[in-house]
Amino acid sequence: GAGVSQSPSNKVTEKGKDVELRCDPISGHTALYWYRQSLGQGLEFLIYFQGNSAPDKSGLPSDRFSAERTGGSVSTLTIQRTQQEDSAVYLCASSLERLSTDTQYFGPGTRLTVL
Amino acid sequence: AQSVAQPEDQVNVAEGNPLTVKCTYSVSGNPYLFWYVQYPNRGLQFLLKYITGDNLVKGSYGFEAEFNKSQTSFHLKKPSALVSDSALYFCAVRDAFTDNLFFGTGTRLTVIP
Repeated sequence: GAGVSQSPSNKVTEKGKDVELRCDPISGHTALYWYRQSLGQGLEFLIYFQGNSAPDKSGLPSDRFSAERTGGSVSTLTIQRTQQEDSAVYLCASSLERLSTDTQYFGPGTRLTVL
Repeated sequence: AQSVAQPEDQVNVAEGNPLTVKCTYSVSGNPYLFWYVQYPNRGLQFLLKYITGDNLVKGSYGFEAEFNKSQTSFHLKKPSALVSDSALYFCAVRDAFTDNLFFGTGTRLTVIP
């Protein structure tokens, strides 16, 4: 079946502009996660959604970052007033539920470059 | 606090030789451990996980990992490396209390023909 998809695959923007990144999870998966992978670093958790519950935003680095998930499916990560340090690969993952034993399946990522 | 350590940034191995990618962890509750692989310009692909039961876990592409509770390790292994195994490997641990997934910084494996 179809995996996690993300768009765009690459995004180049100017400092100060807003960007929106999209994630389409695996059909039927109720949990959705956003991570950031910076050059030479591991994955940094940003935010997660579980069904209709309030999202866990504990990983968002600043109030310029926000995310929403409409209808329990597609999610959009928005970065306002982008800074050069926001340049990274943004990865989305989904899992059947948010259980410790569930496997998270990742999308191909969006490479964001802020000039 | 939960953490994962991958002590080697880079591992080189000759094709056909066995490979090991090391991972140690620290969690407050029962550890749930995962290995992912990332090929260039691709997302992370799930390889295998340890939840409970047999300490030796078998996964995709001939990889396996051994859970060692006393040494808090979960090293990834393969008996015979292929050039196509060259990629970036991530170990991750999930704490049963917080449910959050913590990743190591990754180990780049290069298999030399």
